[in-house]
Amino acid sequence: NAGVTQTPKFQVLKTGQSMTLQCAQDMNHNSMYWYRQDPGMGLRLIYYSASEGTTDKGEVPNGYNVSRLNKREFSLRLESAAPSQTSVYFCASSEGQGGGQETQYFGPGTRLLVL
Amino acid sequence: GQQLNQSPQSMFIQEGEDVSMNCTSSSIFNTWLWYKQDPGEGPVLLIALYKAGELTSNGRLTAQFGITRKDSFLNISASIPSDVGIYFCAGLMNYGGSQGNLIFGKGTKLSVKP
Repeated sequence: NAGVTQTPKFQVLKTGQSMTLQCAQDMNHNSMYWYRQDPGMGLRLIYYSASEGTTDKGEVPNGYNVSRLNKREFSLRLESAAPSQTSVYFCASSEGQGGGQETQYFGPGTRLLVL
Repeated sequence: GQQLNQSPQSMFIQEGEDVSMNCTSSSIFNTWLWYKQDPGEGPVLLIALYKAGELTSNGRLTAQFGITRKDSFLNISASIPSDVGIYFCAGLMNYGGSQGNLIFGKGTKLSVKP
Protein backbone atom coordinates (compact mmCIF):
# COMPACT_ATOMS: atom_id res chain seq x y z
CA ASN A 1 0.00 0.00 0.00
CA ALA A 2 1.72 3.14 -1.21
CA GLY A 3 -0.99 5.48 0.10
CA VAL A 4 -0.95 8.77 -1.79
CA THR A 5 1.76 9.24 -4.41
CA GLN A 6 2.67 12.39 -6.28
CA THR A 7 4.80 13.09 -9.34
CA PRO A 8 7.04 14.86 -9.97
CA LYS A 9 8.79 15.57 -6.67
CA PHE A 10 10.47 18.72 -7.98
CA GLN A 11 9.83 20.95 -10.98
CA VAL A 12 11.22 24.20 -12.29
CA LEU A 13 9.13 26.13 -14.82
CA LYS A 14 9.51 29.37 -16.68
CA THR A 15 6.71 31.92 -16.49
CA GLY A 16 4.01 31.03 -18.99
CA GLN A 17 4.84 27.33 -19.24
CA SER A 18 2.23 24.73 -18.47
CA MET A 19 2.45 21.50 -16.53
CA THR A 20 0.34 18.86 -14.84
CA LEU A 21 0.94 17.53 -11.35
CA GLN A 22 -0.13 13.93 -10.93
CA CYS A 23 -1.63 12.31 -7.85
CA ALA A 24 -2.79 8.76 -7.25
CA GLN A 25 -4.12 6.91 -4.22
CA ASP A 26 -4.49 3.18 -3.70
CA MET A 27 -6.78 3.27 -0.64
CA ASN A 28 -10.02 3.22 -2.63
CA HIS A 29 -10.87 6.65 -1.25
CA ASN A 30 -13.74 8.62 -2.71
CA SER A 31 -12.50 12.15 -2.08
CA MET A 32 -9.28 13.74 -3.25
CA TYR A 33 -7.81 17.19 -2.68
CA TRP A 34 -5.10 19.55 -3.87
CA TYR A 35 -3.45 22.00 -1.46
CA ARG A 36 -0.63 24.46 -1.71
CA GLN A 37 1.67 25.26 1.18
CA ASP A 38 3.51 28.54 1.41
CA PRO A 39 5.80 29.72 4.22
CA GLY A 40 3.78 31.09 7.12
CA MET A 41 0.47 30.33 5.38
CA GLY A 42 -0.30 26.77 6.35
CA LEU A 43 -2.10 24.67 3.76
CA ARG A 44 -4.73 26.17 1.50
CA LEU A 45 -7.20 24.16 -0.52
CA ILE A 46 -7.05 24.67 -4.28
CA TYR A 47 -9.62 22.17 -5.55
CA TYR A 48 -11.23 18.99 -4.33
CA SER A 49 -13.20 16.10 -5.75
CA ALA A 50 -15.83 14.47 -3.58
CA SER A 51 -16.29 11.58 -5.97
CA GLU A 52 -15.27 10.38 -9.39
CA GLY A 53 -16.56 12.81 -11.98
CA THR A 54 -17.03 15.78 -9.66
CA THR A 55 -14.72 18.65 -8.80
CA ASP A 56 -15.21 21.82 -6.76
CA LYS A 57 -13.23 24.95 -6.07
CA GLY A 58 -11.48 25.46 -2.79
CA GLU A 59 -10.04 28.59 -1.24
CA VAL A 60 -7.47 29.48 -3.95
CA PRO A 61 -8.52 28.00 -7.32
CA ASN A 62 -7.43 30.80 -9.66
CA GLY A 63 -4.78 29.77 -12.17
CA TYR A 64 -5.43 26.05 -11.74
CA ASN A 65 -7.57 23.34 -13.30
CA VAL A 66 -8.14 19.80 -12.11
CA SER A 67 -9.25 16.50 -13.55
CA ARG A 68 -10.56 13.51 -11.63
CA LEU A 69 -9.44 10.97 -14.17
CA ASN A 70 -10.84 8.00 -12.29
CA LYS A 71 -11.31 7.02 -8.66
CA ARG A 72 -7.56 6.66 -8.13
CA GLU A 73 -6.18 9.72 -9.89
CA PHE A 74 -6.61 13.46 -9.47
CA SER A 75 -4.41 15.81 -11.49
CA LEU A 76 -3.70 19.51 -11.09
CA ARG A 77 -2.87 21.60 -14.13
CA LEU A 78 -1.19 24.97 -14.39
CA GLU A 79 -2.01 26.33 -17.84
CA SER A 80 0.29 29.36 -17.69
CA ALA A 81 2.58 29.27 -14.68
CA ALA A 82 3.30 32.45 -12.74
CA PRO A 83 5.96 33.14 -10.08
CA SER A 84 3.15 33.45 -7.51
CA GLN A 85 2.50 29.75 -8.05
CA THR A 86 5.89 28.83 -6.63
CA SER A 87 4.91 26.62 -3.74
CA VAL A 88 4.79 23.11 -2.39
CA TYR A 89 1.73 21.24 -3.64
CA PHE A 90 0.16 18.44 -1.65
CA CYS A 91 -2.43 15.95 -2.77
CA ALA A 92 -4.62 14.26 -0.18
CA SER A 93 -7.43 11.74 -0.09
CA SER A 94 -10.18 10.71 2.30
CA GLU A 95 -12.50 7.76 2.48
CA GLY A 96 -15.95 9.30 2.34
CA GLN A 97 -17.72 11.91 0.32
CA GLY A 98 -17.96 14.51 3.06
CA GLY A 99 -20.08 14.30 6.18
CA GLY A 100 -18.02 15.36 9.16
CA GLN A 101 -15.40 12.69 9.72
CA GLU A 102 -13.12 13.20 6.82
CA THR A 103 -9.63 12.35 7.94
CA GLN A 104 -7.32 13.23 5.06
CA TYR A 105 -4.11 11.43 4.16
CA PHE A 106 -1.39 13.37 2.40
CA GLY A 107 1.14 12.63 -0.31
CA PRO A 108 4.82 13.65 -0.04
CA GLY A 109 4.39 16.86 -2.03
CA THR A 110 5.63 18.42 -5.27
CA ARG A 111 7.99 21.36 -4.97
CA LEU A 112 7.41 23.81 -7.80
CA LEU A 113 9.57 26.80 -8.66
CA VAL A 114 8.36 29.24 -11.31
CA LEU A 115 11.03 31.59 -12.61
CA GLY B 1 -12.99 33.01 5.09
CA GLN B 2 -12.64 30.92 8.22
CA GLN B 3 -9.40 31.16 10.11
CA LEU B 4 -7.67 29.12 12.74
CA ASN B 5 -5.30 30.83 15.14
CA GLN B 6 -2.57 28.41 16.13
CA SER B 7 -0.11 29.21 18.88
CA PRO B 8 2.66 29.38 19.59
CA GLN B 9 4.17 29.88 16.13
CA SER B 10 7.39 28.28 17.25
CA MET B 11 8.97 26.88 20.36
CA PHE B 12 12.14 25.27 21.50
CA ILE B 13 12.10 22.05 23.40
CA GLN B 14 14.56 20.31 25.63
CA GLU B 15 14.41 16.57 25.80
CA GLY B 16 12.07 15.45 28.54
CA GLU B 17 9.99 18.64 28.63
CA ASP B 18 6.23 18.67 28.12
CA VAL B 19 4.93 20.73 25.20
CA SER B 20 1.55 22.37 24.64
CA MET B 21 0.04 24.07 21.64
CA ASN B 22 -3.48 25.11 20.76
CA CYS B 23 -5.81 26.30 18.04
CA THR B 24 -8.74 28.65 18.38
CA SER B 25 -11.34 29.92 15.98
CA SER B 26 -14.37 32.15 15.92
CA SER B 27 -16.17 29.39 14.00
CA ILE B 28 -17.56 26.08 15.19
CA PHE B 29 -15.98 22.91 13.84
CA ASN B 30 -17.30 19.36 13.71
CA THR B 31 -13.91 17.69 13.66
CA TRP B 32 -10.44 18.67 14.82
CA LEU B 33 -7.33 17.03 13.44
CA TRP B 34 -3.69 17.33 14.44
CA TYR B 35 -0.94 16.67 11.89
CA LYS B 36 2.84 16.60 12.06
CA GLN B 37 5.03 17.51 9.11
CA ASP B 38 8.71 16.60 8.89
CA PRO B 39 11.01 18.51 6.52
CA GLY B 40 10.43 17.51 2.91
CA GLU B 41 7.44 15.34 3.75
CA GLY B 42 3.68 15.65 3.66
CA PRO B 43 1.63 16.10 6.84
CA VAL B 44 0.94 12.90 8.76
CA LEU B 45 -2.18 12.54 10.87
CA LEU B 46 -1.51 12.24 14.61
CA ILE B 47 -4.90 12.49 16.27
CA ALA B 48 -8.49 12.95 15.10
CA LEU B 49 -11.23 14.34 17.39
CA TYR B 50 -14.91 14.05 16.51
CA LYS B 51 -16.91 15.12 19.57
CA ALA B 52 -16.91 18.22 21.74
CA GLY B 53 -15.09 17.49 24.97
CA GLU B 54 -13.35 14.43 23.55
CA LEU B 55 -9.90 13.73 24.96
CA THR B 56 -7.78 11.34 22.91
CA SER B 57 -4.26 10.02 23.37
CA ASN B 58 -1.77 8.54 20.94
CA GLY B 59 1.31 7.45 22.89
CA ARG B 60 2.84 10.57 24.42
CA LEU B 61 0.42 12.82 22.54
CA THR B 62 -2.89 13.96 23.99
CA ALA B 63 -5.40 16.19 22.25
CA GLN B 64 -8.76 17.61 23.28
CA PHE B 65 -11.74 18.90 21.35
CA GLY B 66 -12.94 22.02 23.18
CA ILE B 67 -16.42 22.08 24.68
CA THR B 68 -17.33 25.18 22.67
CA ARG B 69 -16.17 23.38 19.47
CA LYS B 70 -14.08 26.45 18.70
CA ASP B 71 -10.76 25.24 20.01
CA SER B 72 -8.44 22.30 20.48
CA PHE B 73 -5.13 21.67 22.15
CA LEU B 74 -2.29 19.19 21.70
CA ASN B 75 0.09 18.13 24.46
CA ILE B 76 3.29 16.20 24.01
CA SER B 77 4.69 14.69 27.19
CA ALA B 78 8.36 13.93 27.85
CA SER B 79 9.51 15.23 24.47
CA ILE B 80 12.24 13.46 22.53
CA PRO B 81 14.43 14.76 19.68
CA SER B 82 12.29 13.16 16.97
CA ASP B 83 9.34 15.31 18.08
CA VAL B 84 10.83 18.26 16.20
CA GLY B 85 8.86 19.32 13.18
CA ILE B 86 5.85 21.43 12.34
CA TYR B 87 2.51 20.61 13.94
CA PHE B 88 -0.70 21.69 12.25
CA CYS B 89 -4.19 21.78 13.60
CA ALA B 90 -7.05 21.47 11.13
CA GLY B 91 -10.76 21.96 11.62
CA LEU B 92 -13.51 20.50 9.50
CA MET B 93 -16.67 22.43 8.95
CA ASN B 94 -19.73 21.05 7.21
CA TYR B 95 -22.63 22.89 5.72
CA GLY B 96 -25.91 21.00 5.62
CA GLY B 97 -24.32 17.70 4.71
CA SER B 98 -22.32 18.94 1.75
CA GLN B 99 -18.62 18.26 1.34
CA GLY B 100 -16.69 19.62 4.29
CA ASN B 101 -13.35 21.31 3.83
CA LEU B 102 -10.39 21.29 6.18
CA ILE B 103 -9.18 24.64 7.43
CA PHE B 104 -5.55 24.55 8.56
CA GLY B 105 -3.74 26.55 11.18
CA LYS B 106 -0.40 28.06 10.20
CA GLY B 107 1.57 25.58 12.23
CA THR B 108 3.71 25.37 15.35
CA LYS B 109 7.37 24.72 14.66
CA LEU B 110 9.14 22.65 17.31
CA SER B 111 12.91 22.92 17.42
CA VAL B 112 15.54 21.62 19.80
CA LYS B 113 17.00 24.10 22.28
CA PRO B 114 20.54 25.00 21.30
